Amino acid sequence: DAGVTQSPTHLIKTRGQQVTLRCSPKSGHDTVSWYQQALGQGPQFIFQYYEEEERQRGNFPDRFSGHQFPNYSSELNVNALLLGDSALYLCASSLWGGTYEQYFGPGTRLTVT
Amino acid sequence: AQSVTQLDSHVSVSEGTPVLLRCNYSSSYSPSLFWYVQHPNKGLQLLLKYTSAATLVKGINGFEAEFKKSETSFHLTKPSAHMSDAAEYFCVVSAVYGNKLVFGAGTILRVKS
Repeated sequence: DAGVTQSPTHLIKTRGQQVTLRCSPKSGHDTVSWYQQALGQGPQFIFQYYEEEERQRGNFPDRFSGHQFPNYSSELNVNALLLGDSALYLCASSLWGGTYEQYFGPGTRLTVT
Repeated sequence: AQSVTQLDSHVSVSEGTPVLLRCNYSSSYSPSLFWYVQHPNKGLQLLLKYTSAATLVKGINGFEAEFKKSETSFHLTKPSAHMSDAAEYFCVVSAVYGNKLVFGAGTILRVKS
């Protein structure tokens, strides 16, 4: 049983560019959440998708957007990249509702130069 | 709104001695609480969770945590540290709706031989 997978592993972009990160949830899970982990900090919630809709959103600007596909996989898009967007981006999957634990992928390390 | 405070940014113990990582939480209702571990360059792994059942929660790798409502604490303990326990540990509280996770700042555990 494959766990949560993310691609790519590492990415280097220039300020002002756009980036797309991808996530495939653990088998049987229907909800995907995205987190940003800056160096030396705990992960911060970006947003959560269920049934192809954004259900919750953290304190992130509209430059951060996402999508969920019918097979439950998800994308995170960031436009107009800033140096401060450099971070580890973590995807987590779970079942919708209740207090089910979230399973995290290995993350995508984004460096903005 | 929920929040967690991890009282120590760094903890250093000798191999074979007890581990105590401290966490206080703030929540306007009965929370779900988790401890996650992150090894260098790895994703987050769930150690244990509390969801209003038994107040003493047992997790993987010999870790335990006790939920104390009167003290709003959820400290993580292990009787005997192993070198492989060296990692960063995050105390996490979950929102009731939508299962958004709120992370503490993390505690880096160092295990000396």
